[in-house]
Order: sequence, then structure tokens, then C-alpha cells
Amino acid sequence: GAVVSQHPSWVICKSGTSVKIECRSLDFQATTMFWYRQFPKQSLMLMATSNEGSKATYEQGVEKDKFLINHASLTLSTLTVTSAHPEDSSFYICTARFNIGTKNIQYFGAGTRLSVL
Amino acid sequence: QKEVEQDPGPLSVPEGAIVSLNCTYSNSAFQYFMWYRQYSRKGPELLMYTYSSGNKEDGRFTAQVDKSSKYISLFIRDSQPSDSATYLCAMGAGAGGTSYGKLTFGQGTILTVHP
Repeated sequence: GAVVSQHPSWVICKSGTSVKIECRSLDFQATTMFWYRQFPKQSLMLMATSNEGSKATYEQGVEKDKFLINHASLTLSTLTVTSAHPEDSSFYICTARFNIGTKNIQYFGAGTRLSVL
Repeated sequence: QKEVEQDPGPLSVPEGAIVSLNCTYSNSAFQYFMWYRQYSRKGPELLMYTYSSGNKEDGRFTAQVDKSSKYISLFIRDSQPSDSATYLCAMGAGAGGTSYGKLTFGQGTILTVHP
């Protein structure tokens, strides 16, 4: 399957700082990437859809000024958690959408565990 | 009612058993269906992708879709301890709709295969 790289895998930061998470599709171009958040023992909650060259589309209840998304190229999307607080501690996962014919498959990054002290 | 319902388990089986994992859904716009496996503290890994009703087999895994009943299943034959993980079903709407490309996930079923 296609490879999606997510970095960093784990970050610990102080409250009030900003954290940037990168998501790269390594062997295909992804015009669309998605950002998810996952709490322990819970399913994945879609935060936003990241489209190359345009503004991200945020799901209801997700603060766009809090979670800044930039999809600057066909292989890179970034999520910046601004002024992070302990309640932002979570597992953040990106996916890159791979289209082939009528297939529409999302490949996941390995995830980033964010711990805000 | 959630769009996708999945029994969270946990499910514990002996090595070699046949495992059956299931999801039901309510949105008739869902056209394609996936199963992902997620090990602890890792991102989900795609196991199976299906687009039509019926069965699809890949090694020890069989995915089954019944669109008329809005029910999908994943069967694991000859289960191994290495299959112990959380299994997530996911589904998406077809092309042309505003939700195209988005996936809706089940809660995930925690599976433990013990030797």
C-alpha cells in the first residue's frame, strides 16, 4: 500500500506553546488529506479536510483558529495546534487520499501523540 | 443513532479460532467499505477495501458486505496472537456527493487472540 509519513510521532510541550505536525505522502500525490483526532479507546473523529492550494474545511465544533491547517504541496499537509492546553492532549492522525479509477482509499500516517503539560 | 455502529468488545478468542467482526450502518449513501487494523499507539493500517455487496477474500481475511441489510463483516480465519489489535470499520459515500472522500468510522472492536 501507499506510504504516509507523519512527524513527530510523540511530542510533549508546555501549555501555551504551539506544535506543528507534518503529514507527507511519500509515493503518491495527495490533493486531499484528512486530519483526525482519537481519544483513548475511542474511534477516530474527523477534524478537517485539507485541500492542496485552498483553505481547509473544518468539521462542526473544531476551532479553525486553534487548529491551523496548511496544505502547501501535493505531498505535504501540516496541522499546527496553537497555544496548546492540556485538553488538547490526544492522538492526532492524518490520512492521504489515494484515487485510482473509482477507488477512493485513505492511507494513514502513524499518528502523533501530543501531551500538553 | 450513530451512522456506524460497531460492538467495541473486547473480544477474546483462542489461537486458531475464526473471528467475526461486524458493523451496521444507517446511511444508504455509503458506497465503499474498509476495514482497518490498529495496534496500540499506532496509526490504522488498511486491511480490506470493498465496493460492492458480496465477499472479498485476502489470505486469512474475508470481507463481506450486504448493502440491502446495511451490514458488513470481517472474518479472520486461523487467528494468531499477532492479530490482537483494534479493528475499525470505515465507510464512505460515492463520488459526486458533498461527503465524497470523507470516511465515517465505527468505534472499533478490541480483539485479543490468546495462545
